[in-house]
Amino acid sequence: DVKVTQSSRYLVKRTGEKVFLECVQDMDHENMFWYRQDPGLGLRLIYFSYDVKMKEKGDIPEGYSVSREKKERFSLILESASTNQTSMYLCASSAGGRETQYFGPGTRLLVL
Amino acid sequence: EDQVTQSPEALRLQEGESSSLNCSYTVSGLRGLFWYRQDPGKGPEFLFTLYSAGEEKEKERLKATLTKKESFLHITAPKPEDSATYLCAVQARAGANSKLTFGKGITLSVRP
Repeated sequence: DVKVTQSSRYLVKRTGEKVFLECVQDMDHENMFWYRQDPGLGLRLIYFSYDVKMKEKGDIPEGYSVSREKKERFSLILESASTNQTSMYLCASSAGGRETQYFGPGTRLLVL
Repeated sequence: EDQVTQSPEALRLQEGESSSLNCSYTVSGLRGLFWYRQDPGKGPEFLFTLYSAGEEKEKERLKATLTKKESFLHITAPKPEDSATYLCAVQARAGANSKLTFGKGITLSVRP
């Protein structure tokens, strides 16, 4: 079974803090993704990576950066958290091509 | 630009009352259409992938079908445990790797 884990289920941060969200997959998948999910807006792609040290912007990259130093780990970084980044953050991975994306349990982030 | 529209936004059924969820899409060459189930506060759980018009897949009370413009998720004799949000996503043939475009989801509530 594919397993995607995320470092925290719930996180509360202050405006201006630097925030790290970590995602680890155990299936040797090439591709990894970060989404945010908001009521009425659905899932929106922030960044994705198709190889170690490779990254591409998704639909809403502003205010975020990512890091992929190892194949199994993909980090999302909020350089200076703002209240409009309060959201559910979901990580996913896939083997590539037209393979299925498998999601982690999500991190619910509250920025005060 | 790829687009996915799901309808209705919400659906309330009585236990045993069969129905269908709709996913309409426009995409520049379909590589795959994906259905996920999402329970409150959790990450999406993969259900089905459909690749070409006419294809059908079944799992327990769920059956997914695909045409050139839309996909249906048929639920036969639903039970309260089928209550969840159902997400549809498309992957285009062109473009980078496994990027998916999601619909906003359909929230299904099944009353006992």
